[in-house]
Formats: sequence, structure tokens, C-alpha cells
Amino acid sequence: NAGVTQTPKFQVLKTGQSMTLQCAQDMNHEYMSWYRQDPGMGLRLIHYSVGAGITDQGEVPNGYNVSRSTTEDFPLRLLSAAPSQTSVYFCASKGRGRYEQFFGPGTRLTVL
Amino acid sequence: RKEVEQDPGPFNVPEGATVAFNCTYSNSASQSFFWYRQDCRKEPKLLMSVYSSGNEDGRFTAQLNRASQYISLLIRDSKLSDSATYLCVVNLNYGGSQGNLIFGKGTKLSVKP
Repeated sequence: NAGVTQTPKFQVLKTGQSMTLQCAQDMNHEYMSWYRQDPGMGLRLIHYSVGAGITDQGEVPNGYNVSRSTTEDFPLRLLSAAPSQTSVYFCASKGRGRYEQFFGPGTRLTVL
Repeated sequence: RKEVEQDPGPFNVPEGATVAFNCTYSNSASQSFFWYRQDCRKEPKLLMSVYSSGNEDGRFTAQLNRASQYISLLIRDSKLSDSATYLCVVNLNYGGSQGNLIFGKGTKLSVKP
């Protein structure tokens, strides 16, 4: 199993550009989520999904969209990038009834 | 008040030392508790879950005090490889948010030879 994979690893955007961060897992996990990690702050939940077709907002959803058309994939879309969205983004997944969340390697995003 | 607060750190200790990290959480409805480890520029990984009765995994001991809303992690006989940031994490675990984790800012540990 590859676990949780994320692409790209690094990305530089200009203010106003849009892009999609990809996340995939091959563990048949129902629950998937996106976090952002900023210096001096804990990871903060952006959006999450408890299954295909179901998504909900986390603590910091503004400026981001998600969809979950399959169990495996959970892309995060930045609609119009802003410098405040410069961060490291982690995708995570967990199985039903399980506690442990598995994180992807992260995407380092810089918005100029 | 931040939902999960940890020792500010950093902790710089010699090999073989015993080091303790503390954490408090504000939401009494928190149901599940964890310590995650994060190496520099890597993703967080589960170190151990924390149970009310306390639990041990080798050199690591975790304690939970629900009445005080306090969690601790004790590392005995520190190794160089223990150098990392330790994240205190809680899960409210209700309804559809069963997986939503709330992270502390983390405490950085540096073990020196």
C-alpha cells in the first residue's frame, strides 16, 4: 500500500491564481481530511469528509473547496490564492471505527 | 483560550535523560487523546493513544487526568532519535466529526549526545 499520497510536494502561486492539491489513499478509508500547518500554530482542520459524496467544513474553510466523488480521492481547491494561504497542507485519512489517522507527506505552498 | 495547550519548549536534554511533556485541553467533551510525533519537515505520525488508566509503550508513558483535563507524556532514557516535535491531540468524536483532531502547537525536543 502507498498509504496517503499528495501532489504536488511544492508549489508556488501568484495571488489570484487557482489550483488543486491532490490527495489519494489506497486503504479504503472512509474518513479523509485536510489540515494546514503554519509556523507557531497547531495543525488546523480545513475540510473533512466522512465518505464519498459527503463533505463538511472544519475550522478554517474560507478560500477552499473540496469534493469527494470517490473513496480514494479528496482534492482541495484554492479558488483565488492569497498570501495568507502560504502554508504546509496535510491530507489525512482513517478507517471506520479506528482512531489512528494517517497523514500524507504534505504540500508546501507559497503564494506570492 | 486555545483548545489544546502544550509546554512551549524547546526541550534540550542529554541522551539518557527523562523528559516530561504536559498538555491541557479546554473542551470537557473531548473523547479521545493522542500524542503524535512530527519530524522536521515531515508529516505527523501517531506515537500513542492515551487512556484514562495510563499506558506505556516501551520508554514512553502517557497519562490522562480527565478531571483536570490534563495529558502528559514521559520519555525515559532519551535517544538521539527521539528528537522531534511532539503534538498533543484531542478528538471530540461526536457525530460526523468523529475524525476531527484538534492539535496543540507542539513541543520540540532536542536530544544531544
